[in-house]
Amino acid sequence: GESVGLHLPTLSVQEGDNSIINCAYSNSASDYFIWYKQESGKGPQFIIDIRSNMDKRQGQRVTVLLNKTVKHLSLQIAATQPGDSAVYFCAEVNAGKSTFGDGTTLTVKP
Amino acid sequence: NAGVTQTPKFQVLKTGQSMTLQCAQDMNHEYMSWYRQDPGMGLRLIHYSVGAGITDQGEVPNGYNVSRSTTEDFPLRLLSAAPSQTSVYFCASTNRYNEQFFGPGTRLTVL
Repeated sequence: GESVGLHLPTLSVQEGDNSIINCAYSNSASDYFIWYKQESGKGPQFIIDIRSNMDKRQGQRVTVLLNKTVKHLSLQIAATQPGDSAVYFCAEVNAGKSTFGDGTTLTVKP
Repeated sequence: NAGVTQTPKFQVLKTGQSMTLQCAQDMNHEYMSWYRQDPGMGLRLIHYSVGAGITDQGEVPNGYNVSRSTTEDFPLRLLSAAPSQTSVYFCASTNRYNEQFFGPGTRLTVL
């Protein structure tokens, strides 16, 4: 069955360092993936997405990498800032339905 | 645009009570969905709708009903609340590019 999971439940980094958050998925037929950021008390917020015909996609300070061979996604945040502290979820989307992993809590230390 | 709005923000129910969680979007999106999020976990799909008059079950539909009489509104009904339904409920609408926009959530406690 489908499942999306994250490798680490928590990640702590120093302000200014780069952060890498990992995610493994199990459905090899999935062709669309999204990273979300969820701050305390708020709903998930779209960060960046990638389709299965791509290996890499860059946004502002964020990069998503997709390795279909090992069914692995990663989210890289450059020059991490205190405002990046949140829970990050990866999700795979099929026919508009998102399947979420359990999330990684990113803490940025000043 | 207000985006996706949800009411109420907080609700406390007694076991066996019923209630409706409201969700509305003003972006003219056809696809809407309801999720629940339990502490420390990701979101799980309850019900979804691909357009007015069409609804379908998600991963955890038991104990919930939905209807979609208009494009804008997608209410979620709890028929007989149980403590296991204590959770945070998120409504989302999805555009044609598969980008999902989430509401602020409703925090429900069932005693």
